[in-house]
Amino acid sequence: GAGVSQTPSNKVTEKGKYVELRCDPISGHTALYWYRQSLGQGPEFLIYFQGTGAADDSGLPNDRFFAVRPEGSVSTLKIQRTERGDSAVYLCASRPWEANVLTFGAGSRLTVL
Amino acid sequence: AQSVTQLGSHVSVSEGALVLLRCNYSSSVPPYLFWYVQYPNQGLQLLLKYTSAATLVKGINGFEAEFKKSETSFHLTKPSAHMSDAAEYFCAVSTNSGGSNYKLTFGKGTLLTVNP
Repeated sequence: GAGVSQTPSNKVTEKGKYVELRCDPISGHTALYWYRQSLGQGPEFLIYFQGTGAADDSGLPNDRFFAVRPEGSVSTLKIQRTERGDSAVYLCASRPWEANVLTFGAGSRLTVL
Repeated sequence: AQSVTQLGSHVSVSEGALVLLRCNYSSSVPPYLFWYVQYPNQGLQLLLKYTSAATLVKGINGFEAEFKKSETSFHLTKPSAHMSDAAEYFCAVSTNSGGSNYKLTFGKGTLLTVNP
């Protein structure tokens, strides 16, 4: 597609529920990143994929967070047993292998009640 | 490890006035530096980038930034503010050493308001 697409744009859930957020990167972009942006803060790194594998997951806050990219394109961020503190905007970004600039999607706003 | 400090969480200017948003970075290896802009309820849009070429970098919408290694700074400027410049601005640093893979580290952001 023309840009990085993220769905849903808004998600409201209850504490303890399971949530999936989807990212469709720009076609041909091999590198994919997930970031989390809390209110009033800059984006914080969660995980980086090169192809199908997670090359760096050092930013995942705990084992309730997991992400996959099974075919090296679309990625899904999965959050189990959501907590109110997980409320944030989750941003996805991608880049071609040879580039050093990330292109961001519009984000998925998650609200945990 | 790398980090970014943006001085001033909120900057207010009059329309037509100079815009100056400050960014200082820390990096143990030569950095790549970026400014992104975020309009309300939108994603991050790249304004400009420094990737070890010219130290004065020009971006979109009349913005520019100068890389000063001695001061570890990458301040963003625009000679004359426009109402449409009102947004949040993020400075970010990345490298490709030690497996960093161009992972961006962001500052906390500066909210720019432009008064008529």
